[in-house]
Amino acid sequence: EVQLVESGGGLVQPGGSLRLSCAASGFTFSSYEMNWVRQAPGKGLEWLSYIISSGTTIYYADSVKGRFTISRDNAKNSLYLQMNSLRAEDTAVYYCARDPAGGDSSGYYRPYYFDYWGQGTLVTVSS
Amino acid sequence: SYVLTQPPSVSVAPGKTARITCGGNDIGTKSVHWYQQRPGQAPVLVVYDDSDRPSGIPERFSGSNSGNTATLTISRVEAGDEADYYCQVWHGSSDHVVFGGGTKLTVL
Repeated sequence: EVQLVESGGGLVQPGGSLRLSCAASGFTFSSYEMNWVRQAPGKGLEWLSYIISSGTTIYYADSVKGRFTISRDNAKNSLYLQMNSLRAEDTAVYYCARDPAGGDSSGYYRPYYFDYWGQGTLVTVSS
Repeated sequence: SYVLTQPPSVSVAPGKTARITCGGNDIGTKSVHWYQQRPGQAPVLVVYDDSDRPSGIPERFSGSNSGNTATLTISRVEAGDEADYYCQVWHGSSDHVVFGGGTKLTVL
């Protein structure tokens, strides 16, 4: 059974940092692209970042580019999101999500869709 | 940036058909994916690549995409279908994933 379990959320002051983790099990983590998606309280879904299986191709949403860093450790079956310079508007539930599509025939990788999601971890940015 | 427009709410009686639209410029040229999110739960993929269903998703869920509108159709609606539904595409020009604003489906 595919499982994604996020952790690391909590209360942090504006300008602070936090590192989220996503522990994967039930599939060959090193073969899949992964994403982070967040949802502010009472709001819709917002995609944040994508990383390919090897970690060599990464995309970011404009809202977090330069502040957030996605990474992965395939040996530990884990995905990470380092969040710096946090703002009140970063308050949200953060989900990791698996992307099953892989690269196309020319080796081009990009986010496709998200077939499994974790249960989310809440990040609250407040003084 | 690319914008996906969904109606904020759709209401339907049990047993009837619900149609949730997702509007975007030339969205018919993109692959559209749909997610269901029940209150307090993580999203679940219900349709991918416009009209394909993941295993375990009932045949009552179907999708179509043409021109400037993609549509998620839920036939024979049940009380358990009450949820928020989001459409999603990849916008290559900006290298961004885009979600629609979401539609709250209410089963009367």
